[in-house]
Amino acid sequence: AQSVTQLGSHVSVSEGALVLLRCNYSSSVPPYLFWYVQYPNQGLQLLLKYTSAATLVKGINGFEAEFKKSETSFHLTKPSAHMSDAAEYFCAVSEIDGNKLVFGAGTILRVKS
Amino acid sequence: DTAVSQTPKYLVTQMGNDKSIKCEQNLGHDTMYWYKQDSKKFLKIMFSYNNKELIINETVPNRFSPKSPDKAHLNLHINSLELGDSAVYFCASSQQGALGSPLHFGNGTRLTVT
Repeated sequence: AQSVTQLGSHVSVSEGALVLLRCNYSSSVPPYLFWYVQYPNQGLQLLLKYTSAATLVKGINGFEAEFKKSETSFHLTKPSAHMSDAAEYFCAVSEIDGNKLVFGAGTILRVKS
Repeated sequence: DTAVSQTPKYLVTQMGNDKSIKCEQNLGHDTMYWYKQDSKKFLKIMFSYNNKELIINETVPNRFSPKSPDKAHLNLHINSLELGDSAVYFCASSQQGALGSPLHFGNGTRLTVT
């Protein structure tokens, strides 16, 4: 079964600094990968998804992620953090049959002024 | 217009009670899900329905029973509530048959069992 590991349960950056949230997956076949964001007391919102097209995927709010098959990684980046980026971020992989997503444990991003 | 809406937003109840959470989506999706988010924010799928048919039933106590009257609705009924059922329950939907189709989530129902 697919699984996702997010390295670092908490990441803290200064406003304007680079954001890097790490995600590694295990999958026996080319996966479909997603990043979701959750703001306090809200549901998850899709940031971006990889579905075997371009390896560099651009999402909303200036985020992007690069699929690296050799490293089984799908790290999320943003060149310049904004205070409004403070939230919890979840990486997810789709099961082979596409019927469910398996989520990582989440990474809380804190942005310092 | 809210795409995936679930009610109630908060639910506080005592052990042993029976409660229901309702979910509706207006996206025209064929597949709906229930996910449970525990106190550590870990998200785990509970159930998935496709066109009113149960397709995923993870290891969930049979006190939890989903019901899908039509493809736009997926309700969750919980019998004999226990303290460990306290969590945030998320409903979600996605396009059926499109592998890699993203999920659209509701805003969650925070269940507190006392």
